[in-house]
Amino acid sequence: KAGVTQTPRYLIKTRGQQVTLSCSPISGHRSVSWYQQTPGQGLQFLFEYFSETQRNKGNFPGRFSGRQFSNSRSEMNVSTLELGDSALYLCASSSGQGAILEAFFGQGTRLTVV
Amino acid sequence: DQQVKQNSPSLSVQEGRISILNCDYTNSMFDYFLWYKKYPAEGPTFLISISSIKDKNEDGRFTVFLNKSAKHLSLHIVPSQPGDSAVYFCAASAPHSGAGSYQLTFGKGTKLSVIP
Repeated sequence: KAGVTQTPRYLIKTRGQQVTLSCSPISGHRSVSWYQQTPGQGLQFLFEYFSETQRNKGNFPGRFSGRQFSNSRSEMNVSTLELGDSALYLCASSSGQGAILEAFFGQGTRLTVV
Repeated sequence: DQQVKQNSPSLSVQEGRISILNCDYTNSMFDYFLWYKKYPAEGPTFLISISSIKDKNEDGRFTVFLNKSAKHLSLHIVPSQPGDSAVYFCAASAPHSGAGSYQLTFGKGTKLSVIP
C-alpha cells in the first residue's frame, strides 16, 4: 500500500509569489490535513479536508488556502509569500471516520522563501 | 497558549536502558493522544496512541501511560536502541463540534539520543 506522497519535496520562491503544494493520501483515506512545521513553533495545524469539504481550520491567515479533489488528493496554496512562510509543510492522511484517529504523514515539502 | 507541552527539548539515554518521554496538556477536551517519531528530512511516523478511557497502552518496546487527573502522559521505550534516536512528538485530539472532524495539536518535540 503506497504511503502519503507530497510534491514537490523542495521549493524556493521569492517574496510576493504564490505557491501550490500537492498531497496524495493513502488509498482509501478520505481525510487530508495540512501542518506547518517551523523550528520555533513546532507542528501547527493548517486545515483538514474530508470528501472535498474543509471540516476544520487552524489559526492561519487567509493567504493559506486548500482544496480537495474527488479522488481525495489535496492541494495547498499560499499567496503573497512572506519570509516567515519558510517551513516544512506536512500533509497527513487518515480515514477521517470512526475511532481510528491515527494520521499518517508524508515526507513534506520544504519551502524556502527568499 | 501551548495546549500540549513537552518540557524537555532533549534526552540522552544509554543503549539498553529505559527512555521516558513526558508530555503535559491543558485542554480537558482532549480525548485521544498519540506519539510520533520524526527523523530529519522525513515526515512524522506514528508510533502508538491511547484513548482517554484507558490509562495504558503497550506495543512491543513502547508503552504509553495516561494520567488524566494530572493531564500528563508519558512514553516509555524499553530497551532503548540507537535506532530510536529521533525527535518524538506528543499529539492530542479533541472532538470537533458538529462536523465530526478532528485536528492534532502537537507538542514541540523531545530529541532523544540513545548512546551505544
